[in-house]
Amino acid sequence: DTAVSQTPKYLVTQMGNDKSIKCEQNLGHDTMYWYKQDSKKFLKIMFSYNNKELIINETVPNRFSPKSPDKAHLNLHINSLELGDSAVYFCASSRGGSTTEAFFGQGTRLTVV
Amino acid sequence: GEDVEQSLFLSVREGDSSVINCTYTDSSSTYLYWYKQEPGAGLQLLTYIFSNMDMKQDQRLTVLLNKKDKHLSLRIADTQTGDSAIYFCAESNQAGTALIFGKGTTLSVSS
Repeated sequence: DTAVSQTPKYLVTQMGNDKSIKCEQNLGHDTMYWYKQDSKKFLKIMFSYNNKELIINETVPNRFSPKSPDKAHLNLHINSLELGDSAVYFCASSRGGSTTEAFFGQGTRLTVV
Repeated sequence: GEDVEQSLFLSVREGDSSVINCTYTDSSSTYLYWYKQEPGAGLQLLTYIFSNMDMKQDQRLTVLLNKKDKHLSLRIADTQTGDSAIYFCAESNQAGTALIFGKGTTLSVSS
C-alpha cells in the first residue's frame, strides 16, 4: 500500500496550458505539503495544509493554487504554465505538531516545453 | 530566517565510512532529520534526532548533534554502492509547520 501517492509521475505540457497534480495519503495524517525540487535538486516548501486549511503559502506565483477537498487529498493546480515551472513536485504528509517528520510521494516531474 | 547548509559532494570507496555534515540556524528546532533520495525517486526518511540528544545510532547510521555549534552529521559505516544517493539534512521551521532542507549532499560510492 502506497502511503503518499501522487499522479501523474511524469507530465509534459506546453507553455500556457493549465495542469493539475493530484496527491493522496492513506496515513491518516492531518498535514499535507507541496515541495518543489528544481534542476539543482534544491527542495523548497510551497504550501502546507492542516485539516484542509492553508497554513503555509510561501512566495509562490498566484498561478499555483492548492486545493484540499479533504484531509487525505491535496491537489496542485497550475495555470498558464511557464518554462520556469519545470521541476519535480513532491507531495508529503505528516502528523503535524512539533514533529514534522514527513513522508513523501514519489514526485511528479513536470516539463514545460 | 532558517537556513540549512551542507557540502554538495562526497566521494568514498566501498567499505569506507562516509560522514556528511550539516549546519543549521534555528536553535529551537525540536527534531533534525536526514532524508535520502535515490535517482528518480522520492525522499525517504533515514533517521531523525531529538534536539536534547547528542547521538543516535541505528544499524550502520550514526547521527551526531552538536547543539552549541548547530552542527549535525550523519555517519554511514561500511558504505555500500547502494548508499549512493543524495542526502538531505532538514530542520523544522520556527512554527513547526514545515521542513527546511539543505541543498543535499551527493554521495558517490566507488567499488
